[in-house]
Parts: sequence; C-alpha cells; structure tokens
Amino acid sequence: GAVVSQHPSRVICKSGTSVKIECRSLDFQATTMFWYRQFPKQSLMLMATSNEGSKATYEQGVEKDKFLINHASLTLSTLTVTSAHPEDSSFYICSARVAGGNTIYFGEGSWLTVV
Amino acid sequence: GQQLNQSPQSMFIQEGEDVSMNCTSSSIFNTWLWYKQEPGEGPVLLIALYKAGELTSNGRLTAQFGITRKDSFLNISASIPSDVGIYFCAGQTLTGANNLFFGTGTRLTVIP
Repeated sequence: GAVVSQHPSRVICKSGTSVKIECRSLDFQATTMFWYRQFPKQSLMLMATSNEGSKATYEQGVEKDKFLINHASLTLSTLTVTSAHPEDSSFYICSARVAGGNTIYFGEGSWLTVV
Repeated sequence: GQQLNQSPQSMFIQEGEDVSMNCTSSSIFNTWLWYKQEPGEGPVLLIALYKAGELTSNGRLTAQFGITRKDSFLNISASIPSDVGIYFCAGQTLTGANNLFFGTGTRLTVIP
C-alpha cells in the first residue's frame, strides 16, 4: 500500500534555531500534501495545505513566515519551523493525497522538542 | 478550521464488550473517515464512507454515514486489548482542497 514517510521522526533543537521536517510519498505522486500539528491529548489541527509548484495555503492563525512550507516535487513537501520556541514543541504530521484521486495517506509523524 | 465533535471523549470497557462512538458537525461533509491513532504514530485509516446512509464494515468495525451528512458512527464489536488507542473521525467538505477536518477524538481503553 501507499506509504508516506516523515523525517526526522524525532528532533530536538535549541530555541531560536530552525528545523526542517520532510514528508515524502514513497510509491505515489501527491499533488497536495497537508501539514497538521497535534498537541498531547488533542486532535490534529490543520496548519496548511501544500500544492506542488505553488504557494501553500495556511489556516487562520498559522504564521506563514514562521512555518515555511515548500512542495517542490510531486513526492516531497517540507515544513521548516523558523526561530523555534518551546511552545512550538509538538507532534507534526503530514498527509498526502494521491494525484488524481481522493485517497489521503498519513505519515508517521515527527516529534519536535524545542529546548 | 472546522472541528467535529466526537463523543464520548474516553471510554473504559471490558474486553469482549461492544463499543460505539459518534461524530457530529454543523457542516455537511461528502466523505467521512475513521482513523485510529496509537501513541507517537500517525493516524491509520480504518473505514471510509462516501455516501449518505452508507453502512460499511471492516472486520469487527462498522461505520455509518449519517443521512443528514452531518454525522457518522463507529461501532467496534467484541473488543480486544489491541483496540486500545484514540479514534478520530474526519470529514472532507464538498468544496475546497479536499483537506480533512478532524474530530476531537475518542480515547479507548480495553481492560483485559
């Protein structure tokens, strides 16, 4: 079946630094990828929708300059958390929609801890 | 973004019991999905529903797409310890980028 891989699965960074999380669709092309953030014991909250070759669409309240999204190819989207702060510590999950279809597959998630 | 209300928030049941949970929204969705998430992992799709009134089963799991398109139900029969996890409903809207809006989650604990 289709697999979506995220890397890294866990990352610890110092406050003020930037960290990049990758989301790859391994055996299918994805014109659209989605980035979610999930705090402990809470639901997934959509941060942004990433379309290949165009600018991402951010949800209300999500700072586009802080959470930089790049979807340069049909199999890769990246989320860069810039100038990270402890409150950015969270579980970040991506999903990818199969090109030409409606099926959406989720990555395994990436734990970000900002110290 | 939109949020779907799930109930109950948590459940503690005895192994072998049946489980029911539901999801409601103020908005209409054209697709309802049910996911299970285990600690530290991404959600895994359990059942997808594409038509109002649709009833679909996947092993011991059965889900229904409400007639009003504003709700969905998930039932788990004869629960086992590995059913433990958080169950999320998710809806896809009629318009937009086909992104998913997630429910608040139901945390299920199965006591052996």
